[in-house]
Amino acid sequence: AQSVAQPEDQVNVAEGNPLTVKCTYSVSGNPYLFWYVQYPNRGLQFLLKYITGDNLVKGSYGFEAEFNKSQTSFHLKKPSALVSDSALYFCAVRDVRSSNTGKLIFGQGTTLQVKP
Amino acid sequence: DSGVTQTPKHLITATGQRVTLRCSPRSGDLSVYWYQQSLDQGLQFLIQYYNGEERAKGNILERFSAQQFPDLHSELNLSSLELGDSALYFCASSPTSGFGTGELFFGEGSRLTVL
Repeated sequence: AQSVAQPEDQVNVAEGNPLTVKCTYSVSGNPYLFWYVQYPNRGLQFLLKYITGDNLVKGSYGFEAEFNKSQTSFHLKKPSALVSDSALYFCAVRDVRSSNTGKLIFGQGTTLQVKP
Repeated sequence: DSGVTQTPKHLITATGQRVTLRCSPRSGDLSVYWYQQSLDQGLQFLIQYYNGEERAKGNILERFSAQQFPDLHSELNLSSLELGDSALYFCASSPTSGFGTGELFFGEGSRLTVL
């Protein structure tokens, strides 16, 4: 089965400190991985994706993610957290069981709380 | 702004009723996806349409149905509503049926409350 897991329901960091939001995946074949952010009462916004190529992917708002095939992980990182980064973060994997759909399978989400 | 428009933003109704949620995809996108976000189930894929045809189906209840019209807007119909149907319903769009560039573009959701 294809799935992603976000082992932490909540991550707390102080403003200015580096942050990491964890994601592990289970897929057959090459994974196509995504991170989305959801601010309160808003839709999901795309942050970044890994399809192929460099294991370090850079995205919006200063976020980056590191793809690690041996550990089947795709952790989201940012060198210096901002209070405005506080939101709900989702990791997702493309369902590759069918080439006819681009649907994404989402993790349960991790709430990031950045404190001043 | 993703370019995906969903209406209504909020909807309160009673058990047993029927509601229709509407989604207009980004200009040029042919695929529409519907997701349900609830506290206990997270983000669950319901169904995908591409250019008017159903392309993928998730754990969508028989009480729910969807369609995509010739102008590419989509509607999600929820009937015989139960308390457990209270959730945020998202629509997303993409240019193609399959993978394309990968990411989906989400609307801001329709929050359904069933009392």
